[in-house]
Amino acid sequence: NAGVTQTPKFQVLKTGQSMTLQCAQDMNHNSMYWYRQDPGMGLRLIYYSASEGTTDKGEVPNGYNVSRLNKREFSLRLESAAPSQTSVYFCASSTSANEQFFGPGTRLTVL
Amino acid sequence: GENVEQHPSTLSVQEGDSAVIKCTYSDSASNYFPWYKQELGKRPQLIIDIRSNVGEKKDQRIAVTLNKTAKHFSLHITETQPEDSAVYFCAASSGTGRRALTFGSGTRLQVQP
Repeated sequence: NAGVTQTPKFQVLKTGQSMTLQCAQDMNHNSMYWYRQDPGMGLRLIYYSASEGTTDKGEVPNGYNVSRLNKREFSLRLESAAPSQTSVYFCASSTSANEQFFGPGTRLTVL
Repeated sequence: GENVEQHPSTLSVQEGDSAVIKCTYSDSASNYFPWYKQELGKRPQLIIDIRSNVGEKKDQRIAVTLNKTAKHFSLHITETQPEDSAVYFCAASSGTGRRALTFGSGTRLQVQP
């Protein structure tokens, strides 16, 4: 039981490049989330998916898109990366009681 | 939307002392209040949570209290140990609609041996 996994662990992009962050969970959770964490700050919600086939914007969705590929996988795409998107990205999934469990994070630097 | 404020931003205590971190929230519909511990370079880990139908919850050296009228909740750590040193985040969410968490800005706890 791996819990929530994320790939890659680290990534460096140049401004304007695109990339997809992958997230998968093996806990049979319906809800999944993408957060970003900037230095010295709490986590802010980018997008979430309450169930397979649905996605909704969070607090900071601009510049991102998501895909809920199936119940296990929820990916985050940056179409044209900007330096302001330099951050640590965490994926999470939650139980029906809303207990959220986080993946190990992806540290992204945009030059 | 929900807004969560957390204080203090840094807290230094001596080993064996108690530590208290406080949070306030704005949305009266919020009914779930977890606390996360994050060590440097690691993922946030859920350490304790409380729901709006409960005023206090304990788990060994950790306790959380909730005052729904005042819209604040607190984390209490007793008999602190050096391994308690980390950043602690409070969060709040509603049980309906968007159930994602709104986080506080974090408290860096340093336990001095």
